[in-house]
Amino acid sequence: ETAVFQTPNYHVTQVGNEVSFNCKQTLGHDTMYWYKQDSKKLLKIMFSYNNKQLIVNETVPRRFSPQSSDKAHLNLRIKSVEPEDSAVYLCASSYAGNSDYTFGSGTRLLVI
Amino acid sequence: AQSVTQPDARVTVSEGASLQLRCKYSYSATPYLFWYVQYPRQGLQLLLKYYSGDPVVQGVNGFEAEFSKSNSSFHLRKASVHWSDSAVYFCAVSSSNYQLIWGSGTKLIIKP
Repeated sequence: ETAVFQTPNYHVTQVGNEVSFNCKQTLGHDTMYWYKQDSKKLLKIMFSYNNKQLIVNETVPRRFSPQSSDKAHLNLRIKSVEPEDSAVYLCASSYAGNSDYTFGSGTRLLVI
Repeated sequence: AQSVTQPDARVTVSEGASLQLRCKYSYSATPYLFWYVQYPRQGLQLLLKYYSGDPVVQGVNGFEAEFSKSNSSFHLRKASVHWSDSAVYFCAVSSSNYQLIWGSGTKLIIKP
């Protein structure tokens, strides 16, 4: 099956902990993205990455960092989570120069 | 500045009735336009897209959208909605670097 796979589906953690979310795509795409979706469903791009360039949304706090081992994987690490990090994190992929995105089903983070 | 406006946060329609979800964009060049749908607890899925040519584009599940350059709009339509169409619908425009600029989403509620 070709798709974008995210793990875990759901994660609960305490303020100050470190968390890491995984994303893998089997579509052969060369560009991957992380989005944050808040409780009002608003989508905010956090990072986009291909094998040539990492583009960081400058409004993303430094405690967030992407981690990529190859073009099929783009993980998201959050050092020292804060309550406002509670959201759904969506991973997506596409071919470079193409706006047809394929999304994963999301990781729902709850910070208590 | 490039932007997408979905003026209706929520639309309620009776099952079997017709539907229109509104989308207005602001973009200096010829836009690439998209509609995505997000079903509960899932990621986003591409419904349809417009790149050029016939201003009316067909999508999956009986959806269509019409591009209007004069009105800077890309409204989504369906002739007869089904309860399974209940979801959040996002309109987006592709920027010059192929990243998507998203609207705020419209939640579609289907009344039995």
